[in-house]
Amino acid sequence: NAGVTQTPKFQVLKTGQSMTLQCAQDMNHEYMSWYRQDPGMGLRLIHYSVGAGITDQGEVPNGYNVSRSTTEDFPLRLLSAAPSQTSVYFCASSYGTATDTQYFGPGTRLTVL
Amino acid sequence: QQPVQSPQAVILREGEDAVINCSSSKALYSVHWYRQKHGEAPVFLMILLKGGEQKGHEKISASFNEKKQQSSLYLTASQLSYSGTYFCGTENRDSGGSNYKLTFGKGTLLTVNP
Repeated sequence: NAGVTQTPKFQVLKTGQSMTLQCAQDMNHEYMSWYRQDPGMGLRLIHYSVGAGITDQGEVPNGYNVSRSTTEDFPLRLLSAAPSQTSVYFCASSYGTATDTQYFGPGTRLTVL
Repeated sequence: QQPVQSPQAVILREGEDAVINCSSSKALYSVHWYRQKHGEAPVFLMILLKGGEQKGHEKISASFNEKKQQSSLYLTASQLSYSGTYFCGTENRDSGGSNYKLTFGKGTLLTVNP
């Protein structure tokens, strides 16, 4: 099992550019989520999904879109990157709900200039 | 709303004990504890469900006080490998079901020195 994988590991964008952060898991987990981590702020939930075709907003959803067409994949799209979106992004998955153990991917470090 | 963790940072010598607290302003359904080493992803330590249970994992244990809406993580006889940032994550459930959201605190930086 590869667990939770994220690509790319590092990315530099210019303001206004768009991109997609990829997240995949091979554990057949129903629940997947995206967090951003900023210094001194902890992990903040961006979007989450309780299964294929179902997504919902977290604490800080503005500027991000998600979709869940398969159980395995949960991409995060930045529509028009802003410097405030400079952060480390973590994808996580769990078997059923947020109550279950969350398995985190290795993270994507994004810099927006 | 983020749970509040205290202290923000703590420095220990190897073999000393530490307690990290996590408080929520809302009724708690579950509390999760994770540890993150610098430059790495958070790693699961334990989950506590409402009911006031206490769990243990080697020399790391935790308690959950439903009435006080708080949890505490106890690190006993700390080792160098315990260094890292500890996060609590809380799940609050409204009547009628889960909101499926895990909200993390800002973290507690634990440094264990030889």
